[in-house]
Amino acid sequence: AQKVTQAQTEISVVEKEDVTLDCVYETRDTTYYLFWYKQPPSGELVFLIRRNSFDEQNEISGRYSWNFQKSTSSFNFTITASQVVDSAVYFCALRDSGGYQKVTFGIGTKLQVIP
Amino acid sequence: SAVISQKPSRDICQRGTSLTIQCQVDSQVTMMFWYRQQPGQSLTLIATANQGSEATYESGFVIDKFPISRPNLTFSTLTVSNMSPEDSSIYLCSVGLPEAFFGQGTRLTVV
Repeated sequence: AQKVTQAQTEISVVEKEDVTLDCVYETRDTTYYLFWYKQPPSGELVFLIRRNSFDEQNEISGRYSWNFQKSTSSFNFTITASQVVDSAVYFCALRDSGGYQKVTFGIGTKLQVIP
Repeated sequence: SAVISQKPSRDICQRGTSLTIQCQVDSQVTMMFWYRQQPGQSLTLIATANQGSEATYESGFVIDKFPISRPNLTFSTLTVSNMSPEDSSIYLCSVGLPEAFFGQGTRLTVV
């Protein structure tokens, strides 16, 4: 069975601080995909990034960076120099590559950036 | 990425009634997914809808309560039947592989 654990339910940081959101996953599949989504107060789910299980390269996109480590089954997300607009709930998710292709979501981390 | 339109965006319904949520995609897709997000919670998959076949429901969700239609490759509906206040949630449809894209959701309040 697949499982995604986001141990941090709520984080508060002061604007311009760096913050890392943790994600640990479990799967028996050898091929799978990992994702991060942002859900601002308006409610829509915004896709941020996808990582394939066979690609452990870290990725940076502006102030966002992601660290994928298969050895520890972790896919952590760092926001550098946080801004108020980063305040949202962030979900880590896992999808296997089998025929069913179900997406399993973590419980989410609510990030509050204080001006 | 696909453009996904959901209707209605929100509704307030009386207990015991039913609500049908529509999901329209701007391109043909094989699989459509319906999720529920209860207040302050994560997303839970209700069912997977393939065109031309019965929807596949996750544990804890049954067809009588959440009937789904999938008449073609761009459209699906989810009905929430015989509603109770516990059904108050955001309902989202999703398409896309491997990354899932979501409609804006339907905020349902049952009173």
